[in-house]
Amino acid sequence: AQKITQTQPGMFVQEKEAVTLDCTYDTSDQSYGLFWYKQPSSGEMIFLIYQGSYDEQNATEGRYSLNFQKARKSANLVISASQLGDSAMYFCAMRGGLARGGYNKLIFGAGTRLAVHP
Amino acid sequence: GAVVSQHPSWVICKSGTSVKIECRSLDFQATTMFWYRQFPKQSLMLMATSNEGSKATYEQGVEKDKFLINHASLTLSTLTVTSAHPEDSSFYICSAGPLYSGASYEQYFGPGTRLTVT
Repeated sequence: AQKITQTQPGMFVQEKEAVTLDCTYDTSDQSYGLFWYKQPSSGEMIFLIYQGSYDEQNATEGRYSLNFQKARKSANLVISASQLGDSAMYFCAMRGGLARGGYNKLIFGAGTRLAVHP
Repeated sequence: GAVVSQHPSWVICKSGTSVKIECRSLDFQATTMFWYRQFPKQSLMLMATSNEGSKATYEQGVEKDKFLINHASLTLSTLTVTSAHPEDSSFYICSAGPLYSGASYEQYFGPGTRLTVT
């Protein structure tokens, strides 16, 4: 069975500093995808970054980077130069191998609430 | 592009009544739509997967007779909560896909519907 674990219920960071949000996963699939989403208080799910299991380089998207350590089954999100607007819930998610039709469902972790202080 | 809408954004209903929530992909065709439920301060839990023109696949523990899902077209899926009770009060989020984003097949989330049953 697939599982995503986020062990940090809440994190604090000073504005302009970097922060790492932890995510570990468990799967028996060889091909899988890892995602990070941001959920502000409005409730919308905002896609941040994606890492494929066969990608050799860590994914980066602007201030977001994913520290992918396949052997440790971890996919930590690093946010550089934190901004006040980064305060939100952050969810790590995993999609398993391609199912019939080329698509599969997402499994979410419990989430980490990030608070950025001025 | 890749916009998903939900209607209504919030709804209050009386116990015993039924409520319909719509999920629309506005600028792409979605062969698959997912329905999630999120209780306060918790993660997203997948309720069901619907494919256009076929019956929805429900996750274990989700009552298919209570949560009726219809995916009649490539741009519209509906979730009907029948005989709603206060314990059904939750945030319901849909997502639609797949859409190739350049890195992977993505699913895009709607803004969510907050249901309160009194």
